[in-house]
Amino acid sequence: DIQMTQSPSSLSASVGDRVTIRCRASQSISSFLNWYQQRPGKAPRVVIYAASKLQTGVPSRFSASGSGTDFTLTIANVQLEDSAVYYCQQSDNSPWTFGQGTKVEV
Amino acid sequence: EVQLVESGGGLVQPGGSLRLSCAASGFTFNNHAMTWVRQAPGKGLEWVSLISGSGGTTYHADSVQGRFTISRDNSKNTLYLQMDRLGAEDTAVYYCAKDGGSVSVKYYYFGMDVWGRGTTVTVSS
Repeated sequence: DIQMTQSPSSLSASVGDRVTIRCRASQSISSFLNWYQQRPGKAPRVVIYAASKLQTGVPSRFSASGSGTDFTLTIANVQLEDSAVYYCQQSDNSPWTFGQGTKVEV
Repeated sequence: EVQLVESGGGLVQPGGSLRLSCAASGFTFNNHAMTWVRQAPGKGLEWVSLISGSGGTTYHADSVQGRFTISRDNSKNTLYLQMDRLGAEDTAVYYCAKDGGSVSVKYYYFGMDVWGRGTTVTVSS
């Protein structure tokens, strides 16, 4: 199984800061990597798919990059509503594993 | 409006069974693979099961293989998860989710783009 490891586990930021979250796969997954945001008490929603493509309706302050085993999610000019847990998920093959999550407090 | 609504959760004793349902609306159901994802209290997301648009292909996580069965009724636009031999480790919120791609696209290439609100399963005596 492909293991997904995120860092850091949590972070605190101020409004307007730039936030970066990392996700590492235990083997190469090309660009088959998605990022999800889960606000408290809510279902997750996809924010980035295929490693770097912004989901429709997601603010442009969200961006992502990476391929192979190392990926990053960046939130520029972070806002209060970005407080959430962020998960990466590999979409290369079964089982389609998630990272353990990164809690972002703004 | 594209919508997924889960039902069927509840309290069940260890060793018992439960069947979850997920009613879909607002999109062509049989064009999309569907998924169950769960989240134990205070924990992260765990992928559980996937079923292809036709229902002919299924995958299950090792943690539920042989105990859980995913299925769908495309005539009713409904997804199911039959859960047998439940244990305390199965206590979680169970979400159903829609694959953002259509049947000709690699699973999850577009991510899971629609999620239900979840249904809670508690396994306890």
